[in-house]
Amino acid sequence: DSGVTQTPKHLITATGQRVTLRCSPRSGDLSVYWYQQSLDQGLQFLIQYYNGEERAKGNILERFSAQQFPDLHSELNLSSLELGDSALYFCASSKWGNYEQYFGPGTRLTVT
Amino acid sequence: AQKVTQAQTEISVVEKEDVTLDCVYETRDTTYYLFWYKQPPSGELVFLIRRNSFDEQNEISGRYSWNFQKSTSSFNFTITASQVVDSAVYFCALSVDHTGANSKLTFGKGITLSVRP
Repeated sequence: DSGVTQTPKHLITATGQRVTLRCSPRSGDLSVYWYQQSLDQGLQFLIQYYNGEERAKGNILERFSAQQFPDLHSELNLSSLELGDSALYFCASSKWGNYEQYFGPGTRLTVT
Repeated sequence: AQKVTQAQTEISVVEKEDVTLDCVYETRDTTYYLFWYKQPPSGELVFLIRRNSFDEQNEISGRYSWNFQKSTSSFNFTITASQVVDSAVYFCALSVDHTGANSKLTFGKGITLSVRP
């Protein structure tokens, strides 16, 4: 158990809908990262937050947004969902900088 | 830009065989960090090791060992006396921002290791 929690574990929704994925980092970790894993794109970085502030963006679509709250949990919002958004979404946390990132169990999103 | 290449896509071995997973990275930064993660069939990503660019010492942890060679930009992972529980997808990853402001991981495509009894 990495200490990072993600909910829900599975999510099935229809095209055009909006969903929210939730992540709680390990105790003491201030950085939260979101990654998407799909068969065609592999594991791709989406966005990073540190202590409530956005620090870096990767290949994140405009339909996607995220935030980190004062209690350090983070949410990833996906809207106007398309079939191609079906993927495994991971949250990871680390103390800071280039310390190792510990990953949550992931949320498997299926868009039908 | 950073890049991680895991040329092997699938490897199949018989239990107790040794197996080496290759990883080649590309970066222009002189300070960078290399990682290996394991993704078992259950799907979670398990951290295995982190190595920084100024520490070329090889590392051994039980049946696992890592060979870091800056001269060839490689960070290979060897499992000695493989076991069925080692069956998983293994990812090599790279992070280059030593300031910590943007420490995203760039992953390779992964290597699927199957260990047969």
